[in-house]
Amino acid sequence: NAGVTQTPKFQVLKTGQSMTLQCAQDMNHEYMSWYRQDPGMGLRLIHYSVGAGITDQGEVPNGYNVSRSTTEDFPLRLLSAAPSQTSVYFCASSPLYPEKSSYNSPLHFGNGTRLTVT
Amino acid sequence: RKEVEQDPGPFNVPEGATVAFNCTYSNSASQSFFWYRQDCRKEPKLLMSVYSSGNEDGRFTAQLNRASQYISLLIRDCKLSDSATYLCVAPQTGANNLFFGTGTRLTVIP
Repeated sequence: NAGVTQTPKFQVLKTGQSMTLQCAQDMNHEYMSWYRQDPGMGLRLIHYSVGAGITDQGEVPNGYNVSRSTTEDFPLRLLSAAPSQTSVYFCASSPLYPEKSSYNSPLHFGNGTRLTVT
Repeated sequence: RKEVEQDPGPFNVPEGATVAFNCTYSNSASQSFFWYRQDCRKEPKLLMSVYSSGNEDGRFTAQLNRASQYISLLIRDCKLSDSATYLCVAPQTGANNLFFGTGTRLTVIP
């Protein structure tokens, strides 16, 4: 089982360029999310999705777009890269929060993408 | 107030020592919590889930104190391989989103 696969592993962009970070999972998880991790800030939620065709904003959505056309894929698009978007990006997935349960499922993470914007 | 707060450390302990990390959470309705381990330049990996008062897995014990809204992670007989950053995680109520603490850095010294 591949789990959660992210590409690329590393990327350098110039300010103003756009790019798409790819994320795919083969566990049939309905919930997928993108986090960024910066020193001293921890993991912060950018966007998330609870199923195909449904996306929503997290804590830090500005400058990023997402789409969820299939259960498996959840790409993250940087529209016009800025140096403040230099970070490590993680994609994660889990089964959907059960409607009648109080308990969340843990997240499964991809290997991460290290992005530098100059 | 942050959703999840941790002491960032660092904690430097000798091999064989016992170390405990605490984490506080703000949402009193949260029911499930997690501890993740993150090695340098790697993705976070699930260490333990905490769904009731506590959980034990070998040398690792997680405890939940709902009255005081904190969870703790105890590591006994520390190994060199335990050196990592430990992330405390709490959920958004009634949703899938998880809030991560900034992590506590542990270094086990020979």
